Amino acid sequence: QQPVQSPQAVILREGEDAVINCSSSKALYSVHWYRQKHGEAPVFLMILLKGGEQKGHEKISASFNEKKQQSSLYLTASQLSYSGTYFCGTGQSGSARQLTFGSGTQLTVLP
Amino acid sequence: SAVISQKPSRDICQRGTSLTIQCQVDSQVTMMFWYRQQPGQSLTLIATANQGSEATYESGFVIDKFPISRPNLTFSTLTVSNMSPEDSSIYLCSVERQGPGYTFGSGTRLTVV
Repeated sequence: QQPVQSPQAVILREGEDAVINCSSSKALYSVHWYRQKHGEAPVFLMILLKGGEQKGHEKISASFNEKKQQSSLYLTASQLSYSGTYFCGTGQSGSARQLTFGSGTQLTVLP
Repeated sequence: SAVISQKPSRDICQRGTSLTIQCQVDSQVTMMFWYRQQPGQSLTLIATANQGSEATYESGFVIDKFPISRPNLTFSTLTVSNMSPEDSSIYLCSVERQGPGYTFGSGTRLTVV
């Protein structure tokens, strides 16, 4: 079953912050985050493994709550280059290499 | 990380025909994954291709419709057979990066008329 992402879309001004959530009904082993710009392939941002860790990548970080089967992606001081569609991809124990992607969140950063 | 060359980048095909999509990776990889992405939608896994064995298909996808070849550790093809307009979509291959995560090919935009 596909993870649920929220919000579906968000519009920001440069410098503002955003949070994208990913929720699964199944126990998760891993959560991946990808960004896809229009007409391009998805690009890997980060992976979180079970254990409730939080990781960072420049001004983009993420957390993973294994018990709640939820992950959140945090974008701080957003830049124009952050615009795109963000997907979470979840892996389950036993089939962690096959990802199930969420519905996507379209992020638009305006000047 | 791995670099994938995917061909063709786009095609317009007549219904009832077949199209074969190729993915070439610049390094040896154990698994290759094939996804479908309808415009504005999420990515749906079609199948996982291992070298030397039959591909494993996800629910809703069958070998007769989407035959896959994996002749070596750097190459795979996906064929979309007996196409209908409902097959119009973007098809992407993906492999594990040398670090964490996955790399995707640039995609094949298929339009069936």
